[in-house]
Amino acid sequence: QSALTQPPSVSGSPGQSVTISCTGTNSDVGYYKRVSWYQQSPGTAPKLIIYEVSNRPSGVPDRFSGSKSGRTASLSISGLQAEDEADYYCSSYRSNITWVFGGGTKLTVL
Amino acid sequence: EVLLVESGGGLVQPGGSLRLSCAASGFTFSSYWMHWVRQSPGKGPVWVSRVSKDGTSTNYADSVKGRFSISRDNTKNTLFLQMNTLRGEDTAVYYCVRVNDYTMDVWGQGTTVTVSS
Repeated sequence: QSALTQPPSVSGSPGQSVTISCTGTNSDVGYYKRVSWYQQSPGTAPKLIIYEVSNRPSGVPDRFSGSKSGRTASLSISGLQAEDEADYYCSSYRSNITWVFGGGTKLTVL
Repeated sequence: EVLLVESGGGLVQPGGSLRLSCAASGFTFSSYWMHWVRQSPGKGPVWVSRVSKDGTSTNYADSVKGRFSISRDNTKNTLFLQMNTLRGEDTAVYYCVRVNDYTMDVWGQGTTVTVSS
């Protein structure tokens, strides 16, 4: 069982928007702004798409956005494209020097 | 181009040892904390260990403490993970990861470790 809780799957049609939630505790998501999101396609390494809750690395489309409220962080993807189909993982720094991840959400573009 | 390339994975029997390496290029290796993260098939990633920029400070997940040892050679831009007393639950893809102010911003392609008799 992963430390952060994500829905196992979400889906949407091209052009639509989806949101993926990530629920932690007051020792990680609820306390720190050090929440990241990663996109992973089959057989590849995770790729950073959101850091510090809502910042995008250069090269990541602005269709991807992040937010946080209390112990729950969220990743929103607007204008869904076929290439967005992948697994998405959230991560947070946790007190006592550790990093925790979610179990992942499989995004299906219908 | 910023690149991390892991090597050293393979099949090992329970109780055995393995040493992973990660060659870094395209950035000033000695300016970053470096981490190892592992991922079992179909599961989310799990943080394993980290080492400070100069190699003098290390931290480990409870699941590997006392069995794994992280180190680095800044003269060769290389990160290491010595894994001893391996168990079946250590089976995973192991990623070398650069961390920038608590964010895991660059990941290697991973090396697969399989612990089985």
